[in-house]
Formats: sequence, C-alpha cells, structure tokens
Amino acid sequence: DAKTTQPPSMDCAEGRAANLPCNHSTISGNEYVYWYRQIHSQGPQYIIHGLKNNETNEMASLIITEDRKSSTLILPHATLRDTAVYYCIVRASNTGNQFYFGTGTSLTVIP
Amino acid sequence: DAGITQSPRYKITETGRQVTLMCHQTWSHSYMFWYRQDLGHGLRLIYYSAAADITDKGEVPDGYVVSRSKTENFPLTLESATRSQTSVYFCASRDPGQGYTEAFFGQGTRLTVV
Repeated sequence: DAKTTQPPSMDCAEGRAANLPCNHSTISGNEYVYWYRQIHSQGPQYIIHGLKNNETNEMASLIITEDRKSSTLILPHATLRDTAVYYCIVRASNTGNQFYFGTGTSLTVIP
Repeated sequence: DAGITQSPRYKITETGRQVTLMCHQTWSHSYMFWYRQDLGHGLRLIYYSAAADITDKGEVPDGYVVSRSKTENFPLTLESATRSQTSVYFCASRDPGQGYTEAFFGQGTRLTVV
C-alpha cells in the first residue's frame, strides 16, 4: 500500500469549507484513495473514496490531482460535529482486505 | 439490533492474566478485523479474517490470538496481558462485494492492564 502524508492538525471556522490535504506520491495506477474519520471515542466512519475522478457524496467531496499524487477532502460547510481525526488511506481494491491507517489529521471546527 | 458490537466496553485486568475481547456482527460480512489505537500511533491492524476459520496477521500481532469458528464472531485473546497492551481496541467488518465496500467499526473496548 502507498504511504500517505497528512498534516497532524488543522482548524476550521464553523460554516466554512474544511480542506484536508493528503500526499500520496508513490500511489500506483490501481490504488484508490479512501477517507475515514473518527469522532472522539468512536470507531472510524467511512466518508468517501475515489480512483481518478473527483467524487462527491452527501458528506464530502474528494478532489484528486491529475497526477494522482495528492488529494483533498472537502467538507463544504463544516459544523462542530465534524471535529474529528480524518484518515487518508491509499490501497488497491484487490490487495486483500486489510486497511492500514496512519495517524491522520485532527480537525477542530471552531465556533 | 443490526450492526457490530464489542464487549466489554471497558476492562481492567492484571498483568499475566488472559483476557478475551468479543466482537459480533449481524450482517454476515466475510471480513473482520481487529485494530488497536494508541496515542501517537493511530490505528494499527492486529489480525484480520477473510472468512470463518481463515485468519491472518496484521501489523502488530505479537501477544494476541484470534479465532473465527463462526462468521459473525471474531474474538481477540490476550493470552498473558502486559502493560504495553493497554489500549483501545476496535473491531471492524466488511462485505467483499464487487469493488470497494466500506468497513464498519464497533464502538471500541478500552482495555487497561495494571
């Protein structure tokens, strides 16, 4: 699995967009980018994933650069409930079923 | 109730004791996982299982034993607990499906070894 690099922490004002970056410069052609988040004391929760194209769902948008070496998770209107640790994971869909989490980005949404 | 549940939620045990953490899921997902979470290390995979009677080691398997006699259960046993195994343990499951399917996590078990 490709290694990912995320900033350890970020702040965002409530109501503004939160943009969480992830670098994955060694990503391979068959590897996807996945995002999970973990709200304090809870189990991680799936947010979104993508391969090449940008993706959007009811929770967030995922922007993947053309060279696929980095991506950004966007929470369009951050709320206090979005305060959590966000994990960026890169892996191929056919490489078994284990997910390796890094240390993620701790996002604090400020009132 | 449908979902994935872990028990107990909190456990204090003494060094050297055997302790088993339980994980039960109601979806009949083929894949199940155990992670531990410690400050500064994020989530680390201990063991995973692709189906009943099929298990494999993750990143940090030493000191742990797993079994999977039934699809819905995936217990994690610490045969002789050590203080370094004080951690929050998360169980997860997912269905293989076509392409990617999300993993669902339990609420965690906070284990303290004294």
